[in-house]
Amino acid sequence: AQSVTQPDIHITVSEGASLELRCNYSYGATPYLFWYVQSPGQGLQLLLKYFSGDTLVQGIKGFEAEFKRSQSSFNLRKPSVHWSDAAEYFCAAPNPYGGSQGNLIFGKGTKLSVKP
Amino acid sequence: NAGVTQTPKFQVLKTGQSMTLQCAQDMNHEYMSWYRQDPGMGLRLIHYSVGAGITDQGEVPNGYNVSRSTTEDFPLRLLSAAPSQTSVYFCASSGWTGRNTEAFFGQGTRLTVV
Repeated sequence: AQSVTQPDIHITVSEGASLELRCNYSYGATPYLFWYVQSPGQGLQLLLKYFSGDTLVQGIKGFEAEFKRSQSSFNLRKPSVHWSDAAEYFCAAPNPYGGSQGNLIFGKGTKLSVKP
Repeated sequence: NAGVTQTPKFQVLKTGQSMTLQCAQDMNHEYMSWYRQDPGMGLRLIHYSVGAGITDQGEVPNGYNVSRSTTEDFPLRLLSAAPSQTSVYFCASSGWTGRNTEAFFGQGTRLTVV
């Protein structure tokens, strides 16, 4: 069955340090992949998306992600973390129940804490 | 541009009560969905709709009912609330399938069933 896995439940980094959040997927074909961010008490905001082509995808807020088919991964990166990046991050892919790319299956999320 | 609007933001129900969570979008999107978010579980799909008059079940549909009479609105009904339905509920909408699909989310409804 298709699935999206985020191995890290909680990550703490120092402000200014680099960040990598892991996402692994299990799909038969090349999936569409997304990263969303959820600030406390807020809804989800799309950071970036991958459909095909260039495997390095640039997003908003200085984030990027790299699709690696050989590793079934779509890791999110940022070279220098800011305190405002503290949030929960979700990796997602089309939901087999949804019948379209409009509905998504989510990983369980990685909560990012930023130390001053 | 309001995007996806959910009401109410907070709600407390007693076990057995019924209520409707409202969701409206002004982007003329065909696809609308309801998710619930529980700690450590990510978001799970409850029901979805691919257009007015068409709805279907997601992963966790039990205890919930939906209808889609217009493109804009997609209410979620709790028929008889149970403590297990305590959660944060998100409504989302998106356009046609393919490369430009992006799900837009409402701000959420935090529901507590006592």
